[in-house]
Amino acid sequence: SQQGEEDPQALSIQEGENATMNCSYKTSINNLQWYRQNSGRGLVHLILIRSNEREKHSGRLRVTLDTSKKSSSLLITASRAADTASYFCATNTDKLIFGTGTRLQVFP
Amino acid sequence: NAGVTQTPKFQVLKTGQSMTLQCAQDMNHEYMSWYRQDPGMGLRLIHYSVGAGITDQGEVPNGYNVSRSTTEDFPLRLLSAAPSQTSVYFCASSRPVGRFANTEAFFGQGTRLTVV
Repeated sequence: SQQGEEDPQALSIQEGENATMNCSYKTSINNLQWYRQNSGRGLVHLILIRSNEREKHSGRLRVTLDTSKKSSSLLITASRAADTASYFCATNTDKLIFGTGTRLQVFP
Repeated sequence: NAGVTQTPKFQVLKTGQSMTLQCAQDMNHEYMSWYRQDPGMGLRLIHYSVGAGITDQGEVPNGYNVSRSTTEDFPLRLLSAAPSQTSVYFCASSRPVGRFANTEAFFGQGTRLTVV
């Protein structure tokens, strides 16, 4: 079974709204990473948060990590139509294991 | 730099045929991996390698073989193709940080495989 489970599976919002995606995982990790995938394309790395970090920012992205609850969240602020994509969390131990993903649709 | 290059982009196989999916990276990354992506399943790890001469199984290794003779190349072999192996295959590479961690992974554009 996959290490990460993401919630929600699908999310639809209007431009300008914030989008929050959650990721839960099962085992101890060294870091957790978030990726974006546009339809039919390869994955692109967004942000990495280490196990000893609680929060990290990159532009309009904010990631939190709670290792006691084995969970992470990705917040995209002031969303744009161009943010429409699938988003995946990935946990890193000696290998990189992906979650099932959240499909985000941002309407203009 | 080309990054991670996968060939072919598309392939149709008949059941029972064998083939090799190619993956090459020019970033001198020690860690390379293969994933398959099926609708609604996210990416599942097939095999991975932490360096030349070292490979290990991922979540779904059955029906696939890998080898790592050089740092640059990590081919994935389908021994006897089955319809259940119809999927999109992604190769990725990254740089290890310490023994059990990696930095960001770079992905190829994928190989869309159909087995009939």
